[in-house]
Amino acid sequence: EPEVTQTPSHQVTQMGQEVILRCVPISNHLYFYWYRQILGQKVEFLVSFYNNEISEKSEIFDDQFSVERPDGSNFTLKIRSTKLEDSAMYFCASSETVNTEAFFGQGTRLTVV
Amino acid sequence: AQSVTQLDSQVPVFEEAPVELRCNYSSSVSVYLFWYVQYPNQGLQLLLKYLSGSTLVKGINGFEAEFNKSQTSFHLRKPSVHISDTAEYFCAVSRRSSASKIIFGSGTRLSIRP
Repeated sequence: EPEVTQTPSHQVTQMGQEVILRCVPISNHLYFYWYRQILGQKVEFLVSFYNNEISEKSEIFDDQFSVERPDGSNFTLKIRSTKLEDSAMYFCASSETVNTEAFFGQGTRLTVV
Repeated sequence: AQSVTQLDSQVPVFEEAPVELRCNYSSSVSVYLFWYVQYPNQGLQLLLKYLSGSTLVKGINGFEAEFNKSQTSFHLRKPSVHISDTAEYFCAVSRRSSASKIIFGSGTRLSIRP
């Protein structure tokens, strides 16, 4: 069964460093998403991406964040200068259309020290 | 805007007992409803979803949920739980016009006692 894959599963970075989280969506999907879950809290929507541009973003997704589809298979989330409060589990998701179910990856646990 | 309320942050039950995890939602438009499970240190797994049709939805691992439009609820049930059901359960909603942008509830931690 096709699945969304995320790498790495765990990333530790120093405060102020840039970090890139990588995702490979399901191959025939056209819509891509990032969600975040701070430890012990609920999962929050960050951003949706379609046709090489952001279609929607939450208030969490500020100028520190950016997304990119650098090639035909990867979808990345970049945090420019990490802060301690960016420590969270980041989930990538993809869907075939805007009206169909999103499939989630296993997540990348980001720890900022 | 849509919102989801999970009334219980923690639910302890004994093994082989029935369980119900409560979920209420709020929306001015038609929605899809979901339950996701997150086992310790793992990602999100879809348990079941309501898109349309029968209001009783059956999912994986013996779980089921019933969509009640008049009460705006989507409670999750299992007639007999196992130790392996210990996990965090998230109720979620999305607009039908934007099904992939999912709004999650705060989660219910289900702990099973032997």
